[in-house]
Amino acid sequence: DAMVIQNPRYQVTQFGKPVTLSCSQTLNHNVMYWYQQKSSQAPKLLFHYYDKDFNNEADTPDNFQSRRPNTSFCFLDIRSPGLGDAAMYLCATSGHGGETQYFGPGTRLLVL
Amino acid sequence: SQQGEEDPQALSIQEGENATMNCSYKTSINNLQWYRQNSGRGLVHLILIRSNEREKHSGRLRVTLDTSKKSSSLLITASRAADTASYFCATEGDFGNEKLTFGTGTRLTIIP
Repeated sequence: DAMVIQNPRYQVTQFGKPVTLSCSQTLNHNVMYWYQQKSSQAPKLLFHYYDKDFNNEADTPDNFQSRRPNTSFCFLDIRSPGLGDAAMYLCATSGHGGETQYFGPGTRLLVL
Repeated sequence: SQQGEEDPQALSIQEGENATMNCSYKTSINNLQWYRQNSGRGLVHLILIRSNEREKHSGRLRVTLDTSKKSSSLLITASRAADTASYFCATEGDFGNEKLTFGTGTRLTIIP
C-alpha cells in the first residue's frame, strides 16, 4: 500500500544533542511537509518542499533544518533541541499543493 | 493569525447520537478540509469541500460550507465508539501557496 512512513516513532534525546527525524513516501507526491504538534494543539507548519523548492515558515526557529535528497525522502534536523521542542513531529505529502494531505504516524520527540 | 477556530473544543455524546462540530476561518479560501486524529497518531483526511460547493456527503459525514460567514460544519451521524478522536478543519487560502492552515480542533468522545 502507498503510504507515508516516519522513523523512529519515538525519539528520546538530550538537551542540546542534535537529532534527525526521517520521513519517506511511496506516493510519489511532489509536496512534502513537516509539522510540529504540541499536546492538544493544532499542527504547526515548519516547512514544506514543492519538489526541491524549499519553503520555510517565517516563525520556524533557525534550530530546525530540513533536507529533501530525492522525491521519496525528507529529513528534519533539530540542531540543538531544547525542552520546548518536545512534541509530535508529523510528515505529510500532497500531490498538489493545497489538496488532500497524507500524513505519516508521527515521531514523538522527548528532550531530557 | 490565519488559524481557524473550532467549536466546541470538546464534545461528549452517547453512541448513536449525531455529533456536530463547527469551524470558522478568517481569509478567503480555495477549499476547506476536515481531518481526524486518533490519540498519538497522524491525521487522516476525511473530506474536502471547495469554495464553490455548499454541502458534501461521504458515508456518515456531512460537511457544509458558508463562505459568506467564513464557516463550516461537520456532522457525523449515528456516532460509534470508533469515532472518538480529535477533528481538525484546515483551509487552503486562495493565494495558492500550497499550504493548509489548521484549526484548533474539537475533541470528540463517544460514550458507549
